[in-house]
Amino acid sequence: AQSVTQPDIHITVSEGASLELRCNYSYGATPYLFWYVQSPGQGLQLLLKYFSGDTLVQGIKGFEAEFKRSQSSFNLRKPSVHWSDAAEYFCLINNAGNMLTFGGGTRLMVKP
Amino acid sequence: GAVVSQHPSWVICKSGTSVKIECRSLDFQATTMFWYRQFPKQSLMLMATSNEGSKATYEQGVEKDKFLINHASLTLSTLTVTSAHPEDSSFYICSALGGAPTEAFFGQGTRLTVV
Repeated sequence: AQSVTQPDIHITVSEGASLELRCNYSYGATPYLFWYVQSPGQGLQLLLKYFSGDTLVQGIKGFEAEFKRSQSSFNLRKPSVHWSDAAEYFCLINNAGNMLTFGGGTRLMVKP
Repeated sequence: GAVVSQHPSWVICKSGTSVKIECRSLDFQATTMFWYRQFPKQSLMLMATSNEGSKATYEQGVEKDKFLINHASLTLSTLTVTSAHPEDSSFYICSALGGAPTEAFFGQGTRLTVV
């Protein structure tokens, strides 16, 4: 069975500070990896994805994520957070078939 | 990129009535679609997997007679909440598998309020 863990339920950072959201997965092989952002009352917006190749992927809104096979991780980073980044962030894995697994989500709050 | 359109984006209905939510893949064909329910401040909970031309596979604890899923074409899946009650009020999101490599494309979600 595959699983995804986002260890931090809530994170608060100051505007302009750097950000790292953690995502760890459990799966027998390398899955496809995704990060989504969800604003209150809204649907999911894809930030970035990893299928293969370069382990550092760039996404929209200045976000990037690094796949580390040895740590089964796919952490999301941003060098300087903006107030508009406050939202819920979800990590998702796809086993390259029909099985998707979401992490529990991390709620990001940004202090002025 | 691939687009999934979900309609309506919000709906209010009376207890006892039924509500239908549509999920369309606009520019690709989706053999497989998923329906999720999301409670406030929680992650998405998979309700069922819908495969075109066959019966949906429901997750444990999801009442198939209450949440009717139809996937009659490669671009349309519908979720009907039958005899809705206030406890069915929630945010429902669909997704469709497509692309190469395969990934999930999500609808905008439907906010259902049962009064």
